[in-house]
Amino acid sequence: LAKTTQPISMDSYEGQEVNITCSHNNIATNDYITWYQQFPSQGPRFIIQGYKTKVTNEVASLFIPADRKSSTLSLPRVSLSDTAVYYCLHIAGTYKYIFGTGTRLKVLA
Amino acid sequence: GAGVSQTPSNKVTEKGKYVELRCDPISGHTALYWYRQSLGQGPEFLIYFQGTGAADDSGLPNDRFFAVRPEGSVSTLKIQRTERGDSAVYLCASSLTQASGGGKPNEQFFGPGTRLTVL
Repeated sequence: LAKTTQPISMDSYEGQEVNITCSHNNIATNDYITWYQQFPSQGPRFIIQGYKTKVTNEVASLFIPADRKSSTLSLPRVSLSDTAVYYCLHIAGTYKYIFGTGTRLKVLA
Repeated sequence: GAGVSQTPSNKVTEKGKYVELRCDPISGHTALYWYRQSLGQGPEFLIYFQGTGAADDSGLPNDRFFAVRPEGSVSTLKIQRTERGDSAVYLCASSLTQASGGGKPNEQFFGPGTRLTVL
């Protein structure tokens, strides 16, 4: 069963880079890693997805080492509006998303 | 364009009653998913539709829960004989298809959810 482990919470200050690491020890060959963001009273929102090495888009970067047993979401220069819960998902099989408890990021002024 | 919409946004009912929750996916999306999210927890998968058929209903907790998608677009999650433990936010998501060529999962777009409270 796909299972991920990530820190329960993190604090950061505005303008800093935030790195959230997730472990997914039982990842299979064809599985992808996806990160979602969720604000209160909203559904999760896609941030980034990757398979290996590094992926970058306009909001984040995703680093996946060669063994793929972990991944790191990097948010450059966070702002107060980045305060949210971030979920690492290891998508396997039939693509039903198995969410963990997520990482609650609080950005302080 | 319009995103995934869910109605009602809030539903309060009494224990033992029947409820229906509706999801309107993004137009053209063939894959549709239902999740349940309890306070402080991540969403929990319930059921996945590909077109009109339920391709995976392994997450439905028991036979009081049922979902349909008769025309391959709108879906309704039905809960019979509601219990207080059913109280949660029910989220719907859709994607273009389950996965793109090569097996890369397609992004799921989530609706705002329906908050169900069973008194």
